[in-house]
Amino acid sequence: RKEVEQDPGPFNVPEGATVAFNCTYSNSASQSFFWYRQDCRKEPKLLMSVYSSGNEDGRFTAQLNRASQYISLLIRDSKLSDSATYLCVVNNRDDKIIFGKGTRLHILP
Amino acid sequence: ETGVTQSPTHLIKTRGQQVTLRCSSQSGHNTVSWYQQALGQGPQFIFQYYREEENGRGNFPPRFSGLQFPNYSSELNVNALELDDSALYLCATRDGNLNEQFFGPGTRLTVL
Repeated sequence: RKEVEQDPGPFNVPEGATVAFNCTYSNSASQSFFWYRQDCRKEPKLLMSVYSSGNEDGRFTAQLNRASQYISLLIRDSKLSDSATYLCVVNNRDDKIIFGKGTRLHILP
Repeated sequence: ETGVTQSPTHLIKTRGQQVTLRCSSQSGHNTVSWYQQALGQGPQFIFQYYREEENGRGNFPPRFSGLQFPNYSSELNVNALELDDSALYLCATRDGNLNEQFFGPGTRLTVL
């Protein structure tokens, strides 16, 4: 089993719709979790950290389920500018940082 | 902008050669990580340096090595280049007390 797994997509979603992706991780000792966004031929940028209690930032909601070892990202009222690759990131106790392969999202006009 | 710079932006080398990539971090960011990102893949963790010492390493062979300097700038060295080393190389810096990483724009290495 890969350390961090994501559905590569692409997810093709009409503008205004809600879209959600999950990411599973294999190391139960993982300590911190993040979602990054990467635009084509650009570097990754932090979208949001993921806390045990779940957290929301505008149209974006992130949740962590430690029992099932997955994190999720929900995007509401999607915009054309949300088109990007979304990377799930897990930090392990030994400070090893693992990225998923990313999920590609295309918002359609 | 993240305040993280990398040089060069692009580089072409041939098999067997050696390459040095550079990264300059934001002031106060004492931790730097290096990643390799092949086309269509997520970044793969190479290693991390904290206050000039390597303190974490991914599944990369010893021909991938690094340095961090007292001003927290950093180098990634790759010896005996192979065709599969062609990728985008990203560095990311952070304050050791915070988890958010700030990525540089990357160096695109092509090995012929």
